[in-house]
Amino acid sequence: QSALTQPASVSGSPGQSITISCTGTSSDIGGSNYVSWYQQYPDKAPKLMIYDVSNRPSGVSNRFSGSKSGNTASLTISGLQAEDEADYYCSSYTSSSTLVVFGGGTKLTVL
Amino acid sequence: EVQLVESGGGLVQPGGSLRLSCAASGFTFSTYWMHWVRQAPGKGLVWVSRINNDGSTTSYADSVKGRFTISRDNAKNTLYLQMNSLRAEDTALYYCARQGRRYNSGWSPGEWFDPWGQGTLVTVSS
Repeated sequence: QSALTQPASVSGSPGQSITISCTGTSSDIGGSNYVSWYQQYPDKAPKLMIYDVSNRPSGVSNRFSGSKSGNTASLTISGLQAEDEADYYCSSYTSSSTLVVFGGGTKLTVL
Repeated sequence: EVQLVESGGGLVQPGGSLRLSCAASGFTFSTYWMHWVRQAPGKGLVWVSRINNDGSTTSYADSVKGRFTISRDNAKNTLYLQMNSLRAEDTALYYCARQGRRYNSGWSPGEWFDPWGQGTLVTVSS
């Protein structure tokens, strides 16, 4: 069981927007602005999409955005495209001996 | 081009040892903190260990503490993970990842991973 809770799957049609939630506790997401999101295609390495809750690295489409409220962080993808179909993982630094925790991952299907 | 290339994975019996390596190129390795993250087949990402830029400070997940040792050789631009007393539950693809950096009156570690290597597979089985 992962430390952060994500829905196992979400889906949307091309052009639509979807949001993936990531729920933790006051020891991780709730107590930290260090939430990041990663995209992973099958048999590929994860790629950073969002850091520090809502910042996009250079080269990542502005269709990807992040936010946080309390113990829950969210990744929103607007204008869905077929290439967005992948697994998405959230991550947070923690105040415990486990320095970093990840969510269980969410499979995004573009219908 | 920033690149991380892992090696050293393979099949090992329970109780055995392996040493993973991660060769870094395209950036000043000695100025970045580095991590190992693993992913069991069909499962999610799990953080394993972290080392600071000069190797003086390390951290471990409770599940590997006392069995795994992270280290680095900045002269060789290489990160290592020595894995001892391996268990079946250690079976996973092991990624090395560079910790980010932020600038605020000087560079300091940022709390994200970018980039990641392609991973090396460790299988613990008799």
